[in-house]
Amino acid sequence: AQSVSQHNHHVILSEAASLELGCNYSYGGTVNLFWYVQYPGQHLQLLLKYFSGDPLVKGIKGFEAEFIKSKFSFNLRKPSVQWSDTAEYFCAVTLGIGIFGTGTRLQVFP
Amino acid sequence: DVKVTQSSRYLVKRTGEKVFLECVQDMDHENMFWYRQDPGLGLRLIYFSYDVKMKEKGDIPEGYSVSREKKERFSLILESASTNQTSMYLCASTLGDPRNTEAFFGQGTRLTVV
Repeated sequence: AQSVSQHNHHVILSEAASLELGCNYSYGGTVNLFWYVQYPGQHLQLLLKYFSGDPLVKGIKGFEAEFIKSKFSFNLRKPSVQWSDTAEYFCAVTLGIGIFGTGTRLQVFP
Repeated sequence: DVKVTQSSRYLVKRTGEKVFLECVQDMDHENMFWYRQDPGLGLRLIYFSYDVKMKEKGDIPEGYSVSREKKERFSLILESASTNQTSMYLCASTLGDPRNTEAFFGQGTRLTVV
């Protein structure tokens, strides 16, 4: 069965630190890849997406992700996090239906 | 803006009650989904629908059913609520285009079964 793995369950950083959240998926065909973010008390919203083309995609709020097909990975990065980035982050693969990872809780301290 | 609206933000129900969770989207999306979100487990798919009156089981359909009588509305039904169904329930919708499968989510319904 297709699956999505997020390796970091809880990440704690200080402001200005760099961030990389890992995501791997198990499907070998063509996929759509997403990162969604859920800020405290808010609904899930799209951070960035990859459908095709340039494997380095940029999203909102300075986030970016790189699709590495050979590694089945779609890691999320941000060079310098802010306190307002405190949220839960979900990687997802869509094969018609969305398959989500277990989420990574990010806490950023001032 | 796409809007997905869930009828309740918080619900408290008793064990054995029949519970209805309603979801409406206003962008003419073909696909609609119900997930439950639990800490450490991420989002798990309960049921989804590609068209009116059509439904497919997701990964954890036991204890749930769904109804899609109109394109814009997708209801999740807990036939006899149990305490292990206490969770956050998320509704989502997507276009029917496989080249654009971005999901739009409702604000969630936090259900507590006592």
